[in-house]
Amino acid sequence: GQQLNQSPQSMFIQEGEDVSMNCTSSSIFNTWLWYKQDPGEGPVLLIALYKAGELTSNGRLTAQFGITRKDSFLNISASIPSDVGIYFCAGQRGKTGANNLFFGTGTRLTVIP
Amino acid sequence: GAVVSQHPSRVICKSGTSVKIECRSLDFQATTMFWYRQFPKQSLMLMATSNEGSKATYEQGVEKDKFLINHASLTLSTLTVTSAHPEDSSFYICSASSPGFNTYEQYFGPGTRLTVT
Repeated sequence: GQQLNQSPQSMFIQEGEDVSMNCTSSSIFNTWLWYKQDPGEGPVLLIALYKAGELTSNGRLTAQFGITRKDSFLNISASIPSDVGIYFCAGQRGKTGANNLFFGTGTRLTVIP
Repeated sequence: GAVVSQHPSRVICKSGTSVKIECRSLDFQATTMFWYRQFPKQSLMLMATSNEGSKATYEQGVEKDKFLINHASLTLSTLTVTSAHPEDSSFYICSASSPGFNTYEQYFGPGTRLTVT
């Protein structure tokens, strides 16, 4: 399947710090999505991006759709303990829910109080 | 709204037996459902795409005779792992979508942890 690489693989940060993670692909996607997964749970959607160059915010989260359509980044500002979890990017070739999602390798975030 | 449930949440079975996992859309009609598998500390890997009333489309490397998928109604899809082996132990997650949403979004279930002994 399609390989999406995320970096970093894991992060340990102090509460209050900002976090940045990115995702790269070898091929183009028309939609980029960012999910958070807590242990033993399914992924929960954080942000969706539709257009190359688009910058979208959701509270303390900001994500951008790379201009080449092959990458995206996610920033979390002023981290809090409940931000702990695994963050996945996902690419989708279409613009409806019926299109397959290809998930990134994940970034495991630990926030130290 | 847009809630997806899975049952059971955890299951332990003996090697050689079959186990069925259910995925239900509780408050919408899911024309398409997806089944993913996630091994510990790894990403979600798509196994198959299931459209209501049609045969599932399996990803390369996924054995359709081993992982039987049925999507007989607009609110229920089932994944049956046949003749399970310890290497099938994994976290199985479904997601569902509907054209009525008019969005990109797939809604994920809470997952089913399968352990084969």
